[in-house]
Amino acid sequence: AQKITQTQPGMFVQEKEAVTLDCTYDTSDPSYGLFWYKQPSSGEMIFLIYQGSYDQQNATEGRYSLNFQKARKSANLVISASQLGDSAMYFCAMREIGWNQGGKLIFGQGTELSVKP
Amino acid sequence: EPEVTQTPSHQVTQMGQEVILRCVPISNHLYFYWYRQILGQKVEFLVSFYNNEISEKSEIFDDQFSVERPDGSNFTLKIRSTKLEDSAMYFCASKPSEQDIMNTEAFFGQGTRLTVV
Repeated sequence: AQKITQTQPGMFVQEKEAVTLDCTYDTSDPSYGLFWYKQPSSGEMIFLIYQGSYDQQNATEGRYSLNFQKARKSANLVISASQLGDSAMYFCAMREIGWNQGGKLIFGQGTELSVKP
Repeated sequence: EPEVTQTPSHQVTQMGQEVILRCVPISNHLYFYWYRQILGQKVEFLVSFYNNEISEKSEIFDDQFSVERPDGSNFTLKIRSTKLEDSAMYFCASKPSEQDIMNTEAFFGQGTRLTVV
């Protein structure tokens, strides 16, 4: 069963504006972690931000913040003051703790963000 | 800054041939992973490796695949007899300690693009 859903295949945003990339997840495990990665056209995976299931506050990292709504099982990424270099594919991912597992990441389908000058 | 290194960056192989994808994880990391991304699709987990053995593998990771950590530094993925559908970007990732299993991001290599012709 698919556990991470990104419903926006593509998004456009004007430079310097904020944009929200949606991510919903499904898990029965009370302990989990949520991650966002950026994949530019060159292909590498760049870690952006992390949110733990027990964290009381939303995570922030510079221009990135994570809007974590646990009851709704959503973990949306907010990018403030978009820059041309933000144009990339963005993946939401989840890690379940399962002690017989090695902490694999389960990825969503990705959202391609294009920043317009 | 330490990084995960993958070689080669691009490999073209004939269908039915064996390929070995190589990775050098970050030196003090304990968990190692292989992921696959077919062009235009999401990143998929293949296998996790800890304490010199596979800790988890996905349905994709069938008998044609194997992993090895032959010398304490390299981490390899072997595909025994490649098929056209094995064409994808293959990412190696590593993660530090067991204590950080939840909230530590996996550090990804830059990927190896495998093309099977």
